[in-house]
Amino acid sequence: QQPVQSPQAVILREGEDAVINCSSSKALYSVHWYRQKHGEAPVFLMILLKGGEQKGHDKISASFNEKKQQSSLYLTASQLSYSGTYFCGTDPYGSSNTGKLIFGQGTTLQVKP
Amino acid sequence: AAGVIQSPRHLIKEKRETATLKCYPIPRHDTVYWYQQGPGQDPQFLISFYEKMQSDKGSIPDRFSAQQFSDYHSELNMSSLELGDSALYFCASSLGGGSEAFFGQGTRLTVV
Repeated sequence: QQPVQSPQAVILREGEDAVINCSSSKALYSVHWYRQKHGEAPVFLMILLKGGEQKGHDKISASFNEKKQQSSLYLTASQLSYSGTYFCGTDPYGSSNTGKLIFGQGTTLQVKP
Repeated sequence: AAGVIQSPRHLIKEKRETATLKCYPIPRHDTVYWYQQGPGQDPQFLISFYEKMQSDKGSIPDRFSAQQFSDYHSELNMSSLELGDSALYFCASSLGGGSEAFFGQGTRLTVV
């Protein structure tokens, strides 16, 4: 039930791009993306809903393929501040209001000068 | 802007003791979630409340209980603490289930 993220780790130079993938074996209602720095709280980046609605930061882009039950987070022109662990969280419920999120195992991104 | 507030930030307890963690959600948010995160692990969903009623339950041990009060703050009560309970405990809140959730800074619980 836990979504699978790939890659597990990425090392970039400033200005380079990266894609983080998240896939689930279950039908999804929504996918949430968070970034967490060591010892800090996860920070909301984006939510993608079934039907195409997206909410999030202007500088972050992501896609949600409902049929394939996959989502991808696109980080372009990376900055040092992008370093951290990225989690996707999936909400498998279609009509519930619980908002329970099952997180993937995380992708560690390190951006070097 | 107001954020989710958790207290205490750090807590050290001995085995078999009891701990209470508090969470104050963002004003007007009606949904509260609790997550447990071990070192190097992803956050594990424990329990959630919507409009003061329990809405979902995850891998929460029977030794743990939680509730949401009339002012929407929530408390996670943990009894008979074990070494394995040492972790970061996050509370998050959202406006409606399924909406973007905002996390508090967490309570780091150490059981010795």
